[in-house]
Amino acid sequence: GNSVTQMEGPVTLSEEAFLTINCTYTATGYPSLFWYVQYPGEGLQLLLKATKADDKGSNKGFEATYRKETTSFHLEKGSVQVSDSAVYFCALSASGYSTLTFGKGTMLLVSP
Amino acid sequence: DTAVSQTPKYLVTQMGNDKSIKCEQNLGHDTMYWYKQDSKKFLKIMFSYNNKELIINETVPNRFSPKSPDKAHLNLHINSLELGDSAVYFCASSQEHSVSYEQYFGPGTRLTVT
Repeated sequence: GNSVTQMEGPVTLSEEAFLTINCTYTATGYPSLFWYVQYPGEGLQLLLKATKADDKGSNKGFEATYRKETTSFHLEKGSVQVSDSAVYFCALSASGYSTLTFGKGTMLLVSP
Repeated sequence: DTAVSQTPKYLVTQMGNDKSIKCEQNLGHDTMYWYKQDSKKFLKIMFSYNNKELIINETVPNRFSPKSPDKAHLNLHINSLELGDSAVYFCASSQEHSVSYEQYFGPGTRLTVT
């Protein structure tokens, strides 16, 4: 079956530090890959996506590249801000269905 | 304008009761979903509807019964509530039932069963 594995959190960083959150996946066929973000007390928002191998998704300074050879979709940001503190979910959609399979989420805490 | 809305935002009830959560989307999307987020933040699909038709039922107990009166609404009714049903329930929608379309999530309903 499909699955997504994310690094355990929390990830604690100082403002302006470099961020990497690792995500690897197992899926049949050619999945689409997503990063969603959940701010405290809110629903999930799409952060970025990639629908085929070697695509790079980017938004608000965050980037992730769809690597089929390593089945990975790592999230990166060059300089984090306190306002980036949230839970980040890697997810995939595959096998002709649009339902999302999520990783367990990684909490990011950024201090001033 | 709220794209995907859910009511209520909080729901506290006792074991054995029956409750409903309502979801509405004003995006004109064809597909709607219910997800459950447990206390460890893990999210799992429960149901998917496309044009009011049930597409996915991920082995959810039959105490949970979704109903889609029209494309813009997907309600979730839960019978005989159990302690393990305590979670945050998220409704979502997407333009079509296809792997590449983004899903838009509602703000969630926090259900607490005592």
